[in-house]
Amino acid sequence: AQKVTQAQTEISVVEKEDVTLDCVYETRDTTYYLFWYKQPPSGELVFLIRRNSFDEQNEISGRYSWNFQKSTSSFNFTITASQVVDSAVYFCALSEANSGYALNFGKGTSLLVTP
Amino acid sequence: EAGVVQSPRYKIIEKKQPVAFWCNPISGHNTLYWYRQNLGQGPELLIRYENEEAVDDSQLPKDRFSAERLKGVDSTLKIQPAELGDSAVYLCASSLDRAGPNEQFFGPGTRLTVL
Repeated sequence: AQKVTQAQTEISVVEKEDVTLDCVYETRDTTYYLFWYKQPPSGELVFLIRRNSFDEQNEISGRYSWNFQKSTSSFNFTITASQVVDSAVYFCALSEANSGYALNFGKGTSLLVTP
Repeated sequence: EAGVVQSPRYKIIEKKQPVAFWCNPISGHNTLYWYRQNLGQGPELLIRYENEEAVDDSQLPKDRFSAERLKGVDSTLKIQPAELGDSAVYLCASSLDRAGPNEQFFGPGTRLTVL
């Protein structure tokens, strides 16, 4: 069963628009971690953020922000004022204590930002 | 500091041939992972090493896949014989501590095409 669902397969926006990438996860563990990775066309996965299950504070890093809501099992990612360089595939991943903290990735959302 | 190094970057072989991929993790990283990423999908864990010990190989198709990390540093993943369905990107990642919710650093991957 898919533990991480990224319902948006592809999103296309025009530069400077805000865009939110959705991530819904499923776990029975009380201790778990959520990640977002970026995969640009070059193929290398780049770590963006890690959030543990005990910390529901939202986080902002420059134009990036993350909204973690345990009540809806969601960990959404928003890019403000998108830029062409944000074009990439973005993966949400779940890491559970009961599975040795292996990363369980969603299928990814392909974001295209056009000028 | 050098990142995770993988070679080759690309490999094209005919089915039933053997193939091997090499990974050198970031210096000092104890934990090493091999993932397979099929087209349009997120990476899926094949095997995880802590130093030289394979601590999670439950997803490794052991009839044709093998891996080793003899000295607890670099690692080799082998497929023998390759099948058409093995075409994918094989990613290596490493993290600093023993398995835990630590940031995993990914290499650029090896894109395998089986004809």
